[in-house]
Amino acid sequence: DAGVIQSPRHEVTEMGQEVTLRCKPISGHDYLFWYRQTMMRGLELLIYFNNNVPIDDSGMPEDRFSAKMPNASFSTLKIQPSEPRDSAVYFCASSLGGGNQPQHFGDGTRLSIL
Amino acid sequence: GDSVTQMEGPVTLSEEAFLTINCTYTATGYPSLFWYVQYPGEGLQLLLKATKADDKGSNKGFEATYRKETTSFHLEKGSVQVSDSAVYFCALSDEIKAAGNKLTFGGGTRVLVKP
Repeated sequence: DAGVIQSPRHEVTEMGQEVTLRCKPISGHDYLFWYRQTMMRGLELLIYFNNNVPIDDSGMPEDRFSAKMPNASFSTLKIQPSEPRDSAVYFCASSLGGGNQPQHFGDGTRLSIL
Repeated sequence: GDSVTQMEGPVTLSEEAFLTINCTYTATGYPSLFWYVQYPGEGLQLLLKATKADDKGSNKGFEATYRKETTSFHLEKGSVQVSDSAVYFCALSDEIKAAGNKLTFGGGTRVLVKP
């Protein structure tokens, strides 16, 4: 079975450029999560969706960040304009149902902003 | 708000040693508790979970018991292998707020097992 698929795996770009990260959740899962992982701040939840609708975006650091989920099989996280402090590993995860159901993580996108 | 505290690493062990990673939590409701593991270059994977007090989660030789009286969920393994080298995350999902299935993670504990 295919897991959560993220692309690209690595992204290096210059500050000020637009960055788009992509995620394909596991088929049939109704929750999708975007996380950011850094050495300084650990694992942070940025935003999550239920049935393609954003439920909680309180973790989105600022207006430069936006996320969309146009359908059940695709989501994007966009940073515009990007800054060096956005360098991190970004993970997408999905789950079936709420409560105590496990989240399934992709392998992440390692983003470096020069 | 909800929070999870786990011991800081790195924890360095020899193969076949006993591993314990402490985890304590605060939550306003009746949380479910999880341990996730992250191998180098990969995303997090669920290792085990427990959904109510006194439940024991187990998987791949790892165990953790949900202790409501001490608000703890310590991870243990009796004999570690080099392949257990990874970062381990304790997490909770608060049932009262679980309409969103939102997880609160601890800071992670890096474990290094030497042959």
